[in-house]
Amino acid sequence: EIVLTQSPDFQSVTPKERVTITCRASQSIGNNLHWYQQKPDQSPKLLIKFSSQSFSGVPSRFSGSGSGTDFTLTINSLEAEDAATYYCHQSHSFPWTFGQGTKVEIK
Amino acid sequence: QVHLVESGGGVVQPGRSLRLSCSASGFTFSRHGMHWVRQAPGKGLEWVAIIWFDGTTKYYGDSLEGRFTISRDNSKDKLYLQMNSLRADDTAVYFCARDIGITGMHPDYWGRGTLVIVSS
Repeated sequence: EIVLTQSPDFQSVTPKERVTITCRASQSIGNNLHWYQQKPDQSPKLLIKFSSQSFSGVPSRFSGSGSGTDFTLTINSLEAEDAATYYCHQSHSFPWTFGQGTKVEIK
Repeated sequence: QVHLVESGGGVVQPGRSLRLSCSASGFTFSRHGMHWVRQAPGKGLEWVAIIWFDGTTKYYGDSLEGRFTISRDNSKDKLYLQMNSLRADDTAVYFCARDIGITGMHPDYWGRGTLVIVSS
């Protein structure tokens, strides 16, 4: 099983700041890495697919990069509505797995 | 638009069985793979299973130990999860999610989930 490790686990950020979340895979997964946002009591929403492709309707302040084992989700100019937990997810090999999540709080 | 509604959750005793359903609308169900993903209270997401668009291929998470079975009925636009020998650590919100492709690429749209509580 491929283990995804996100860092940090928690981040407290002021509005308009840049947020960077990393996801490291235990083995190479190419670009088969996707990012989801989950707000409290809601279902997850797809933000970024295949490392760097923005999903339809996602604000341009969200971007992703990386390949192989190291990936990054960047939120430029954080807004209050971005308070959520962010998960990376690999679809390179079964069983598919998720990172443990990174909670982003607005100061 | 894509609409997924899970049902069938509730309180069940350890060792018993439960079948979850997911009703799909707003897209051509038979042209997409489908997933179940679960989330224990206060915890992260755990991928449970995927089924190909035609039901011919299925994969499961390692922790399930053969107790769960995913299936689908394309004539009814429904996805199912049969859960047997339930344990306390199966307590979670179970989400169904559509795959962006016909086989396995990744989930794109998710339902709101149904809560399963395994307790005596």
